[in-house]
Amino acid sequence: DVKVTQSSRYLVKRTGEKVFLECVQDMDHENMFWYRQDPGLGLRLIYFSYDVKMKEKGDIPEGYSVSREKKERFSLILESASTNQTSMYLCASTREGGYGNTIYFGEGSWLTVV
Amino acid sequence: QKEVEQDPGPLSVPEGAIVSLNCTYSNSAFQYFMWYRQYSRKGPELLMYTYSSGNKEDGRFTAQVDKSSKYISLFIRDSQPSDSATYLCATPEAGSYQLTFGKGTKLSVIP
Repeated sequence: DVKVTQSSRYLVKRTGEKVFLECVQDMDHENMFWYRQDPGLGLRLIYFSYDVKMKEKGDIPEGYSVSREKKERFSLILESASTNQTSMYLCASTREGGYGNTIYFGEGSWLTVV
Repeated sequence: QKEVEQDPGPLSVPEGAIVSLNCTYSNSAFQYFMWYRQYSRKGPELLMYTYSSGNKEDGRFTAQVDKSSKYISLFIRDSQPSDSATYLCATPEAGSYQLTFGKGTKLSVIP
């Protein structure tokens, strides 16, 4: 069974802290994504990666960075957390091959910044 | 203009009702359409997908695309309390693996 694992489900961090959200997929997928999901705003793409060490900005990259050192792992980094980054963060992956490939999501990481 | 519009609801129906969930899209180049289901505090999971126009049925679920009106629908027959979730429509641009999502419709099926 395909699996995208987000290691931290619930986090509470202080303003200004550096936050790491880790995501691992076991499907050998080339493409990985980080979204945030907020009530009334839906899913918004933060960053995506189509290969190791490659990254592209999504719709809302400000305040975030990412790291992909290995194919199976994609990390989202909040350099200095702020209260407006309190949200649910979703990691996803899909294989290469163009449109129509199923995107698989992790369970989500709930981040509260106080 | 958002590329995919979806009524956020919430939608509340009695058990056994037929549910209709709808999205509209603006880009006529979209050809591939998906419905994701998201239970509370979980990640979305693919429910169904359709290509171009027409219907696709899977058990109690039917996905329908009307390209002439840029309208996509998900019908749920004999709705169950376990169908209570948020339903998101999504579509990729041609040749892209990125999805454009609707904001989701929250459905509650009351026993």
